[in-house]
Amino acid sequence: ETGVTQSPTHLIKTRGQQVTLRCSSQSGHNTVSWYQQALGQGPQFIFQYYREEENGRGNFPPRFSGLQFPNYSSELNVNALELDDSALYLCASSSASGGHEQYFGPGTRLTVT
Amino acid sequence: GIQVEQSPPDLILQEGANSTLRCNFSDSVNNLQWFHQNPWGQLINLFYIPSGTKQNGRLSATTVATERYSLLYISSSQTTDSGVYFCAGGGDYKLSFGAGTTVTVRA
Repeated sequence: ETGVTQSPTHLIKTRGQQVTLRCSSQSGHNTVSWYQQALGQGPQFIFQYYREEENGRGNFPPRFSGLQFPNYSSELNVNALELDDSALYLCASSSASGGHEQYFGPGTRLTVT
Repeated sequence: GIQVEQSPPDLILQEGANSTLRCNFSDSVNNLQWFHQNPWGQLINLFYIPSGTKQNGRLSATTVATERYSLLYISSSQTTDSGVYFCAGGGDYKLSFGAGTTVTVRA
């Protein structure tokens, strides 16, 4: 069984640029959630995708957007990067048959300079 | 949204000691999980425990759903237990996380 994978591992961007982060869900899972974890804090929910549709969103501006593909993998896109976007971005996959227990990938560490 | 309060924020233990971490929720949840975050940032699943008691080796957890709290017990702690422990709860799609408990186990 393949776990959740994310790419890239690390990324450095300049303020104002755009970034795309990628996530492959665990086999058998059809739902992907994205979280942002700032240094020293707990993860914050960004949004979730199910059946290629956004299924819920946290308190993040529209410049945070996402996609889910037919194979259940997902992308997180962030436009007009700000310094405060520097964080660890975590992807989690789950399924209704598993009671919605979420399994996390290793994360992408984004630094905005 | 659901507010999650974890206590204590920091815990220093001598190897071999036992400890209890607590998580309080502001509202009922039907999804409750405990995680250990490794030094590289990955969240490792410890328990999925919306209610009841579970045990896995030296770790166990109890959730009292009617009173909106959960406890994580670490017995006979080892240095490898060091790290940040998070609880998270919510509905079918969103998990709300606490601020974490940083555990340091000294040899």
